[in-house]
Amino acid sequence: SQQGEEDPQALSIQEGENATMNCSYKTSINNLQWYRQNSGRGLVHLILIRSNEREKHSGRLRVTLDTSKKSSSLLITASRAADTASYFCATDAGAGNNRKLIWGLGTSLAVNP
Amino acid sequence: DGGITQSPKYLFRKEGQNVTLSCEQNLNHDAMYWYRQDPGQGLRLIYYSQIVNDFQKGDIAEGYSVSREKKESFPLTVTSAQKNPTAFYLCASSIERVPPNTGELFFGEGSRLTVL
Repeated sequence: SQQGEEDPQALSIQEGENATMNCSYKTSINNLQWYRQNSGRGLVHLILIRSNEREKHSGRLRVTLDTSKKSSSLLITASRAADTASYFCATDAGAGNNRKLIWGLGTSLAVNP
Repeated sequence: DGGITQSPKYLFRKEGQNVTLSCEQNLNHDAMYWYRQDPGQGLRLIYYSQIVNDFQKGDIAEGYSVSREKKESFPLTVTSAQKNPTAFYLCASSIERVPPNTGELFFGEGSRLTVL
């Protein structure tokens, strides 16, 4: 299995509900990033959380990081139809020339009006 | 507005032909990257460049080539040696030169290549 695995693979909720997506990884990380991708478009950076941080907020987004469990979660509160997209986590792992960004397979979120 | 421009958005190629995808940025970023995205898979790094006139292979460089003659431009050529080129190609940039791409990435809108 891959570093940076998101779950669930797909999530369907109603507008106004909260959406939670999880990302698990295998090796120690320097930081973890979350990105959003609308269908057929490029990715947009949402949040970067460093390995020494436990929680970060940005508007309706809340990201947590548990390095002991090697997992992160992305919470979108009061979801809107415009939040419909795929969400990817990317883990910055390794050191020196072996340091790299590893992408998960993404969670597809559908917010129904 | 500052950003990354990829062109063309859609491209069709016959087998055996080389095609070049354009990527231009006006963010004054040092580092630029090319990724490939296939359904059900995460992004995979093809090539990256930290500075003008220098670039490095990523995880799946075979069948691809790049150049970095100007800071703002990083074109990708998909050669006939690439056996399965149909995919969505994404160009990105970042401020840091730290290899290979560990800071916030700024992406273009992508180019979808289809081999007929």
